[in-house]
Amino acid sequence: GQNIDQPTEMTATEGAIVQINCTYQTSGFNGLFWYQQHAGEAPTFLSYNVLDGLEEKGRFSSFLSRSKGYSYLLLKELQMKDSASYLCAVLNTGGFKTIFGAGTRLFVKA
Amino acid sequence: EAGVAQSPRYKIIEKRQSVAFWCNPISGHATLYWYQQILGQGPKLLIQFQNNGVVDDSQLPKDRFSAERLKGVDSTLKIQPAKLEDSAVYLCASSLGRNTEAFFGQGTRLTVV
Repeated sequence: GQNIDQPTEMTATEGAIVQINCTYQTSGFNGLFWYQQHAGEAPTFLSYNVLDGLEEKGRFSSFLSRSKGYSYLLLKELQMKDSASYLCAVLNTGGFKTIFGAGTRLFVKA
Repeated sequence: EAGVAQSPRYKIIEKRQSVAFWCNPISGHATLYWYQQILGQGPKLLIQFQNNGVVDDSQLPKDRFSAERLKGVDSTLKIQPAKLEDSAVYLCASSLGRNTEAFFGQGTRLTVV
């Protein structure tokens, strides 16, 4: 079976750094996506990790440890517009199916 | 580049009625997905097409939901008959391949009363 766990909600302050964790259990693994979803909108792609390590893209970075079944999304220099849900999604090897976690709602306060 | 188009944006129906959603993916994208997203939850994969073949429909309630992808391009998702618990946003997404990022449409918000 598959299981993806993320914290339900997080709150952080504008200008700060926040780390959103994701742990997963899957019968086969072929990569991990992070998507951002603002309220009432569609998810948009942030990052994709298939190898262990850190991928940096501007203010956002994503880390993967395949042996630990663990990933995190790091957001730096937080802005109010970063208030959104962040979805961790695992791509499995069986049919290359992408399974989403429940998402973490991030609130950025002034 | 045009994005994923979905229609309608909103739909309200009574339980036991039928409803259909339409999706036009990004040109050239071989993989098409339908997700159901209930408020406060992550998207749940209903069906995944590769060109016009079904790759996975293990979570599609086949007694009431059906989907097809015409000529490997547009797709329709139908619910017949609808239940109250089908109230959700139905998201269509497409990607170049099965292991590349997905681009989502704006979704159809379905309310079953």
